[in-house]
Amino acid sequence: AQSVTQLDSHVSVSEGTPVLLRCNYSSSYSPSLFWYVQHPNKGLQLLLKYTSAATLVKGINGFEAEFKKSETSFHLTKPSAHMSDAAEYFCVVSEPPQGFGNEKLTFGTGTRLTIIP
Amino acid sequence: DAMVIQNPRYQVTQFGKPVTLSCSQTLNHNVMYWYQQKSSQAPKLLFHYYDKDFNNEADTPDNFQSRRPNTSFCFLDIRSPGLGDAAMYLCATSRAIVLNTEAFFGQGTRLTVV
Repeated sequence: AQSVTQLDSHVSVSEGTPVLLRCNYSSSYSPSLFWYVQHPNKGLQLLLKYTSAATLVKGINGFEAEFKKSETSFHLTKPSAHMSDAAEYFCVVSEPPQGFGNEKLTFGTGTRLTIIP
Repeated sequence: DAMVIQNPRYQVTQFGKPVTLSCSQTLNHNVMYWYQQKSSQAPKLLFHYYDKDFNNEADTPDNFQSRRPNTSFCFLDIRSPGLGDAAMYLCATSRAIVLNTEAFFGQGTRLTVV
């Protein structure tokens, strides 16, 4: 069975400083991993995905994530936070890897990112 | 252009009164999902369709039903909404068989039960 642990429920950073949102996973398969962002009262938008190609994944809005199999981690980073980054972020694992038709997305509990002006 | 469209965005229903939420997609994806997201919680999968095959999660209450009349549309029916069913309901689609494809989410329908 798969699971996702987001280590921080709330992260606050100052505008212009780096962002680190932490995620650890467990999976019986080689997983597909995703980060989604959710702004208040909005749906989920894909930031980036890991699909067993490059371990460093670049996403939209300057976000990156690095897949580390030895640490079972998939942490999300951004070099410089912007006010518009304030949102809820979800780390998601797909098992079996997305695309087999019976896959299920398992969500972490989310990290709320607050940007301090 | 919106690819996964949920209607309505906000729905208010009375306790016990049946309500239907709708989802349509222009992506021609064969997998459609319904998630329930309560306040400050992660989305929770209720069920999904792989083409016409319906897959119910073991802990989804019987009060929740779904219909998929064709590839483009999927409906969530709540037969007798309770106060505990107030939540954001998210529809998502993905293209099975294609490896490593992501799920596309709609904007969600926020359900209030009064």
